[in-house]
Amino acid sequence: QSALTQPASVSGSPGQSITISCTGTSSDVGGYNYVSWYQQHPGKAPKLMIYDVTNRPSGVSNRFSGSKSGNTASLTISGLQAEDEADYYCNSYTTSSTPNYVFGIGTKVTVL
Amino acid sequence: DVQLVQSGAEVKKPGESLKISCKASGDSFTTYWIGWVRQMPGKGLEWMGIIYLGGSDTRYSPSSQGQVTISADKSISTAYLQWSSLKASDTAMYYCASTLNGNFHYDYWGRGTLVTVSS
Repeated sequence: QSALTQPASVSGSPGQSITISCTGTSSDVGGYNYVSWYQQHPGKAPKLMIYDVTNRPSGVSNRFSGSKSGNTASLTISGLQAEDEADYYCNSYTTSSTPNYVFGIGTKVTVL
Repeated sequence: DVQLVQSGAEVKKPGESLKISCKASGDSFTTYWIGWVRQMPGKGLEWMGIIYLGGSDTRYSPSSQGQVTISADKSISTAYLQWSSLKASDTAMYYCASTLNGNFHYDYWGRGTLVTVSS
């Protein structure tokens, strides 16, 4: 099972909106509404930001939103803030291999 | 609130064995899965495997199968990741994470255990 495809980097100015894509196949992203997104700051553990494609856990800013079309899921960050600078990973349930989850390669978000 | 507390950093030599732990607290974990995620220096997240604390189901990634052993002591809500013979390429940060059975996202994460393997 290969990692899901994400852009290596995305950047934006404070206040702007950016979108990170996550492309898989019909065996993972396209086949199930079980895509989640994780934010990781340097030296820190990943933090769940979005689950089941569109849902935000309690405490996560509503500036973060998720969507999906076909085999591609997306994470949008609106009103970009300096604290949003981090690595972002998508994760999907998959039937292609065990343990039934696959991460994306990760996207570095830079706030200009 | 759920907390996952991982064991401390380890420095080992190639060929040595190692067992790291992840203790869960804050809920009844008989219906939880614990997953282990590897992050090599400067690299992305990679699933190693998951274990169900309410039964005997353990699933490994193809690259981890035969290289590590994932186990759990359900009586103390603790999961383990074990190597019998470490290699330099096992040098990485290892995170544990948990999810409720029936969910498909890992909402609680440990702080990670740094394993360094060097002669």
